[in-house]
Amino acid sequence: AQSVTQPDIHITVSEGASLELRCNYSYGATPYLFWYVQSPGQGLQLLLKYFSGDTLVQGIKGFEAEFKRSQSSFNLRKPSVHWSDAAEYFCAVGSYNTDKLIFGTGTRLQVFP
Amino acid sequence: NAGVTQTPKFQVLKTGQSMTLQCAQDMNHNSMYWYRQDPGMGLRLIYYSASEGTTDKGEVPNGYNVSRLNKREFSLRLESAAPSQTSVYFCASSGRSQNEKLFFGSGTQLSVL
Repeated sequence: AQSVTQPDIHITVSEGASLELRCNYSYGATPYLFWYVQSPGQGLQLLLKYFSGDTLVQGIKGFEAEFKRSQSSFNLRKPSVHWSDAAEYFCAVGSYNTDKLIFGTGTRLQVFP
Repeated sequence: NAGVTQTPKFQVLKTGQSMTLQCAQDMNHNSMYWYRQDPGMGLRLIYYSASEGTTDKGEVPNGYNVSRLNKREFSLRLESAAPSQTSVYFCASSGRSQNEKLFFGSGTQLSVL
């Protein structure tokens, strides 16, 4: 069965600092992996997704994520965080043969000036 | 570009009351979804519609009904609201499946007293 874990409920960083949000998944085959961002009072927006190929995926707003099969991870990174990045971030795992998407519980990012 | 429009944005119900959440998309998408978001639980799929005229249960369908009125509109009905249905509800759409980019509405915050 698919599952996804986001170990960090809340992360606080200073503006300009680097960021890494952790995501671990459980799935028997090669998963489809996603990162979504939710700004306050808004719906979710897709940041990036991984289906196959290059394990380093570039997304919108300067974010990237790296698929590491050996660690069952798909961590989200950004080299320099902006105050506008304060939001909640959700990792999700899907599969190629079913229309089933499992969301993680989210990581809330707070950015201090 | 409106994208996915949900109404209402806020609603307070008494236990036992009924209501319908409306959702419409203008992207000619085939698939539409209803999720609920609860603290510490991420997003959970309530019902989905893979195409006009079809609906299927998701992870947490009990207490809800849906109608895919046409390709654009997908409504969620609570026949007899319960306090456990207090949540934030999101409608989303995609071309074909959850493994494609999901487009989300801005959500409905529902409180059942």
